[in-house]
Amino acid sequence: DIQMTQSPSTLSASVGDRITITCRVSQSVSTWLAWYQQKPGRAPQLLIFKSSTLQSGVPSRFSGSGSGTEFTLTISSLQPDDFATYYCQQYNSFSIFTFGPGTKVDVK
Amino acid sequence: QVQLQESGPGLVKPSETLSLTCTVSGASIYSYYWSWIRQSPGKGLDWIGYIYFNGSTNYNPSLKSRATISVDTSKKSFSLKLNSVTAADTAVYYCARVLITMIRGDPHPYAMDYWGQGTTVTVSS
Repeated sequence: DIQMTQSPSTLSASVGDRITITCRVSQSVSTWLAWYQQKPGRAPQLLIFKSSTLQSGVPSRFSGSGSGTEFTLTISSLQPDDFATYYCQQYNSFSIFTFGPGTKVDVK
Repeated sequence: QVQLQESGPGLVKPSETLSLTCTVSGASIYSYYWSWIRQSPGKGLDWIGYIYFNGSTNYNPSLKSRATISVDTSKKSFSLKLNSVTAADTAVYYCARVLITMIRGDPHPYAMDYWGQGTTVTVSS
């Protein structure tokens, strides 16, 4: 089974901060990794797919990078609307989707 | 505008079968995979499985064959059945559209771009 970890599990930050969330996968998934944002009581929203491709309509302050087993999501200047939980999700050669455990970004 | 809407009972008794349907509008059901995901209270996201228009499916092995996803192209909908439910299956259930890329002529799903609003299912007697 593919295992996924995210760090940190909680990140306290202020508006304007640059933040980075890391997602690690137990085996290589090439660049088949996506990032989602979820706010309380709402469905997740796709931010980035194929490791670094920004989904249409997502602000450019969001960026993704990485390949193989280590990936990062960066928000260049945190905005009030960005306080949420972020999940990574991989797709592997066995056609299975797996989500990471999530990183909650809250107000410092 | 792409919209997905989950429907089904909000309360299911233990050992019975959970049945949900997702109705798609604003998108062709033939061009994507379609997925179910759930989220237990206060927990993270748990992928259940997905289906292609031709009926090809894949499931989360952790569900140990309790889940069945089917598609009805005439109704532009797909459904989830989860049998032998327990309290651990209490969750918000989401349906989602899955993006695909063609690799050597085969569709490969990789991320979910449109989601339903979610429906809460409680397993309790």
